[in-house]
Amino acid sequence: RKEVEQDPGPFNVPEGATVAFNCTYSNSASQSFFWYRQDCRKEPKLLMSVYSSGNEDGRFTAQLNRASQYISLLIRDSKLSDSATYLCAARGSQGNLIFGKGTKLSVKP
Amino acid sequence: EAGVVQSPRYKIIEKKQPVAFWCNPISGHNTLYWYLQNLGQGPELLIRYENEEAVDDSQLPKDRFSAERLKGVDSTLKIQPAELGDSAVYLCASSPTSGAGTDTQYFGPGTRLTVL
Repeated sequence: RKEVEQDPGPFNVPEGATVAFNCTYSNSASQSFFWYRQDCRKEPKLLMSVYSSGNEDGRFTAQLNRASQYISLLIRDSKLSDSATYLCAARGSQGNLIFGKGTKLSVKP
Repeated sequence: EAGVVQSPRYKIIEKKQPVAFWCNPISGHNTLYWYLQNLGQGPELLIRYENEEAVDDSQLPKDRFSAERLKGVDSTLKIQPAELGDSAVYLCASSPTSGAGTDTQYFGPGTRLTVL
């Protein structure tokens, strides 16, 4: 089992839709989690950090469920510009980030 | 504030040739990471530096890969000799070592390596 696993996608949604991505992690000792956004041929850019039960930033909400070892990302009122790959990451014991494969989102007009 | 700088952005070489990538982290960031990202995958750690010390190089294939960060600022990642399977994007990231946001890693644009 991979340390961090994500919904494979792709998710194709219309503008204005609400979409949710799930991510599971295997290391119960992980304390910090992150959602990164990566555009095609670009570097990952931090979208949100999750340290406790959750975090909200505008249309984006991340939730952490330690008992079930998963993190979710909810995007409300999807925009065309939200189209990207969303990477989930857990902070490992050595300080590095352990990434999932990413979930591709395509928002259509 | 300037971000993480990497060069070159693209590199095409023939197999068995050497190649080197350079990274300049965000000013004041003492922690530097090199990641490898294959197509359709998330980034995977190669090596982590705290200042000039490599504190985690367990995932670095040491038979052909080497890295250095001599003065605790810039870093160079080298592959010698390159193999076809080394074609990937090599990402450098940095993070602060104290205060708020020590977990947050900021990525450079990456070097896209193609080995022919």
